[in-house]
Formats: sequence, C-alpha cells, structure tokens
Amino acid sequence: KNEVEQSPQNLTAQEGEFITINCSYSVGISALHWLQQHPGGGIVSLFMLSSGKKKHGRLIATINIQEKHSSLHITASHPRDSAVYICAVMEGGGADGLTFGKGTHLIIQP
Amino acid sequence: GAVVSQHPSRVICKSGTSVKIECRSLDFQATTMFWYRQFPKQSLMLMATSNEGSKATYEQGVEKDKFLINHASLTLSTLTVTSAHPEDSSFYICSARKQGSSQYFGPGTRLTVL
Repeated sequence: KNEVEQSPQNLTAQEGEFITINCSYSVGISALHWLQQHPGGGIVSLFMLSSGKKKHGRLIATINIQEKHSSLHITASHPRDSAVYICAVMEGGGADGLTFGKGTHLIIQP
Repeated sequence: GAVVSQHPSRVICKSGTSVKIECRSLDFQATTMFWYRQFPKQSLMLMATSNEGSKATYEQGVEKDKFLINHASLTLSTLTVTSAHPEDSSFYICSARKQGSSQYFGPGTRLTVL
C-alpha cells in the first residue's frame, strides 16, 4: 500500500508570499494529483502529473519520479488561495482509485 | 472541462433509514466511477470502484451489504447507505474517470445520521 506523506500539515503565510507544499510517496506510481478542497468540502483537481513540471496561472507543480516526491508551489499567494491542498497518487493504469495524503491546510492572511 | 454532479449535497436522516446518493457525469461517459469517504480532519479514503455493468469492487473494511453501489449506465452511479447509523456520518465524494483520462470529482455529499 502506498504511503503518502504531505508537509507541512498546516501553513499560515502573508499575502504575496511564495508557498511550497511537499508530497512524498513510498511506492512507484503512474500519476500524481494535486487537489484543492474548500471549506464546504468540494474538490477541484489542480494538476495531474506523471513527470516533469506543469504550470497553471500562479500554480506550479513538479514531480521527481526517482525520488518519489512532488511539490506544489503558489506564487504571489492571495487570501483566496486559502484551502486544503491534497496530494493523491494513482498506481497502475488508473483503473484503481487514488491514495490520498492527509492534506495541507493553507491560510493566506491579507 | 468534465463536470460531475452529486445529489443531494447534504442529507440528514434518522438512524436506521437508508440514504441514496447519486453521482452523474454530465458531459462525458465515465468508464469507471469511484466512491470516497472523508471523516472530519481525515484524508479521503477509497470505498469502492465501480465499473458500468459490473459489480463494484470494495476496499478492505468496507461492507458491501451496507454500502450498495449501482452503476447502471456510463453516466450514473449510486451509493446507498443502508440502515445508516451515526458512525456513517461523513462526507461522501464520487469521482468519474473517462477512458485514458484523469478523475473528475463531484462536489460531495455531507451525510449526517441522527
């Protein structure tokens, strides 16, 4: 079973700061997701990565398959980025469900 | 983008009753749908994997007779929590996957059993 660890568990930062959230996993995967969960519980998929780096707006996600590690970065953070960010891994061809990290609770203060 | 809906978004029921939650892929056909559960301050946990027209595959520790899953079409899967008890109170989220693509999450259903 894949063990997915995220750090930090909680992060409070000031508006404008550069944010990094880390995710490591124990078993080789076919893809990794970064998800955003808002207080109401709804989940938005931010990225799905299998290698390298992806960028969308102020969000950047990277993955190092050899080191079994991924990072999510937020540039020029804003209070609306406040949410729980969850790393989830997919093994095999995607026919199986995801294994989730516990999430990082991010608060961006104005 | 792909849209997945869930209904209802919130339900409160009495202990012993059954609750049905629907998950629909609105603009694509989902070869596979997944049901997840999230207890307060816990990670999401996979409950079962559902393929259209076949029986669901349940994760260890999830009672298949209690959590009935029906995936009757490529756009609809239902989860029925039978004889619900307070310990079943949780946030239930489905996701739908189309062939060769990512998973798309529904907005979730918050179940409270009194």
